[in-house]
Amino acid sequence: QKEVEQDPGPLSVPEGAIVSLNCTYSNSAFQYFMWYRQYSRKGPELLMYTYSSGNKEDGRFTAQVDKSSKYISLFIRDSQPSDSATYLCALASGGSYIPTFGRGTSLIVHP
Amino acid sequence: DADVTQTPRNRITKTGKRIMLECSQTKGHDRMYWYRQDPGLGLRLIYYSFDVKDINKGEISDGYSVSRQAQAKFSLSLESAIPNQTALYFCATRAHGPTDTQYFGPGTRLTVL
Repeated sequence: QKEVEQDPGPLSVPEGAIVSLNCTYSNSAFQYFMWYRQYSRKGPELLMYTYSSGNKEDGRFTAQVDKSSKYISLFIRDSQPSDSATYLCALASGGSYIPTFGRGTSLIVHP
Repeated sequence: DADVTQTPRNRITKTGKRIMLECSQTKGHDRMYWYRQDPGLGLRLIYYSFDVKDINKGEISDGYSVSRQAQAKFSLSLESAIPNQTALYFCATRAHGPTDTQYFGPGTRLTVL
């Protein structure tokens, strides 16, 4: 079992839909939880970063962490075609803070 | 100007050739990383460096070497390229605080024939 599991998709939704992207993990030492967005032929860029259980909101994006279930989610409200990208979760423990990445979920938002 | 730059952006080479990929950053970060990305496998860490005198192997370092020429420069070399090293390569940088995160370059697409 990989330390971080993420469904690669693709996930196809209509414009305006609420999108839910998820990762599960097995290492309880992970303390830092990140979501990156990667457009085609570009480097990943940080979307959300949290280091506690619960929800963190930023505009249309909400990151949710449930440490007891080892489950993290990214919600996108009112999804737009410009949200079409690959979304990678990344988790890190203390010390080196080197993240372990999920495989990424490909999201397609169609008009 | 981009904070993290990679050269070249695209490279096609032949089996057995030596290849160097270069990364430069203007963010003033101490920590630099090299990753490769393959379809379906996500990002995998090749090497990382916490400062100029510090080099560490990552998850998949075999067949690769690195050089940290300065705080701002971190190069990845393939001494004798092989076809299964065909991938997208990313450099990343990070400051050293616990809540700091990584910033990625635009990537180098390497094809080994």
